[in-house]
Amino acid sequence: EVVLTQSPAIVSVSPGERATLSCRTSQNINTYLAWYQQKPGQAPRLLIYDASNRATGIPARFSGSGSGTDFTLTISSLEPEDFAVYFCQQRYLWPPNTFGGGTKVEIK
Amino acid sequence: EVQLVESGGGLVQPGRSLRLSCAASGFSFDDYAMHWVRQVPGKGLEWVSRISWNSGSIDYVDSVKGRFTISRDNGRNFLYLQMSSLREEDTALYYCVKDMDGSGINPHDAFDFWGQGTMVIVSS
Repeated sequence: EVVLTQSPAIVSVSPGERATLSCRTSQNINTYLAWYQQKPGQAPRLLIYDASNRATGIPARFSGSGSGTDFTLTISSLEPEDFAVYFCQQRYLWPPNTFGGGTKVEIK
Repeated sequence: EVQLVESGGGLVQPGRSLRLSCAASGFSFDDYAMHWVRQVPGKGLEWVSRISWNSGSIDYVDSVKGRFTISRDNGRNFLYLQMSSLREEDTALYYCVKDMDGSGINPHDAFDFWGQGTMVIVSS
């Protein structure tokens, strides 16, 4: 099973600032990683797939990078609606299809 | 517009059964793999099961193998999860999820649409 470790668990950022979220995997997963955003009371929403491809309708301020075991989700300039929990997910080896524990982006 | 609407959740005693349903619309249901993913409120996401477009390939997380059964009806655009021998640790919000791919295992793809979930509480 591939284990995904997200850091930090919580990051405090001011609107307009950049946020950088990390996801590390227990083994090489090539670029087979996705990122999801979840707001309180809502279902997760796909942001990025295959490490760096933005999903349909996702603003350009969201970008993904990385390969192998180290991945990053960057939000270039935080908007009020971006304060949420972000999860990474691997598509390399399954079952099971595993998720990271999440990073909460909160308002500083 | 893609819509996934789950139903069938509720309060159930340990050891009993429950059947979740998901009504899909707004896309060619029989072209895509589907999944169930669960989440304890306030906690992380756990993938539960996958079914390919034609039901030819099915997977489960180890903790539900032998107890849960995923199925689909492509004629009616429904996804199901039959849950038996329920345990307290199965308590969670269960999401119906669409894959970008028909097999559900293409490594380049992901889960592109999620329903709002149906809550399952297993308690005596």
